[in-house]
Amino acid sequence: DIQLTQSPSFLSASVGDRVTITCRASQGISSYLAWYQQKPGKAPKLLIYAASTLQSGVPSRFSGSGSGTEFTLTISSLQPEDFATYYCQQLNTYPVTFGGGTKVEIK
Amino acid sequence: EVQLVESGGGLVQPGGSLRLSCAASGFTFSDHYMDWVRQAPGKGLEWVARIRNKGQRYTTEYAASVKGRFSISRDDSKNSLDLQMNSLKTEDTAVYFCARGHYNSGWRDLDYWGQGTLVTISS
Repeated sequence: DIQLTQSPSFLSASVGDRVTITCRASQGISSYLAWYQQKPGKAPKLLIYAASTLQSGVPSRFSGSGSGTEFTLTISSLQPEDFATYYCQQLNTYPVTFGGGTKVEIK
Repeated sequence: EVQLVESGGGLVQPGGSLRLSCAASGFTFSDHYMDWVRQAPGKGLEWVARIRNKGQRYTTEYAASVKGRFSISRDDSKNSLDLQMNSLKTEDTAVYFCARGHYNSGWRDLDYWGQGTLVTISS
C-alpha cells in the first residue's frame, strides 16, 4: 500500500499567516493527490484535486503543488474559518489511502 | 443540490452484523462511482470500499481490513448505496461516511460526502 506522511501533524498559526502543509508518498503517485478540510463533527470537504486543481467554490487562498512523492498545500492568508484538520489522499493505486492529518489551530 | 444521507448505524456486539444505507439525491446517481470511508473516534480517515458504475460493471474494491467481511452494493433505481458489514470487530467502531466519486478527477478522489453514521461495536 502507498503510505502518505503529512507534516507537521499539528500547526499553531495566527490569522493572516501563510501556512504550508506537506504530504509525502512512499512511492510515486504522479499527480493523483487530493486535499480535504475537516472541521469537528463534520464531513471532509474536497479542496484540491490532481495535486493543484482548486475544487469549485473553494477560496483562491488555497493552493496545491507537487508531483511524484512530495506535495504541498498552502493557505496564503489564514482566515478564522480555516482552523480545521487537513488530510491528503491518493488514488494512484488501490487501496485509496489518506495521510494522518494536520490539525491547524489558532495561536 | 447534491445530498448524501447515511442511516443504519448503531450499537452491535462483536461478531454481529449491520447494514448501512446511503440515500443520494441532487445528481445522476447511476453515473457515479460511490465509496464508503470511515473515521474511528479521534482518528484519521480510512477508506473502506468502492463500487463503480454500470459502465464499469459495478466492480468493487475493498480495504484489506474489511475484505471478506464487508460488501458494498448499490441500487441505481432507488439512488441508494449500501454497506453490509459482517463479523464485526471492536476496531470497526467508527463514523461511516458515504462519498461520491469525483468524475472530473477520473474518479481519483471524493467530491461530496454525507454527514456520517456512527457504528459502535461493543459487548
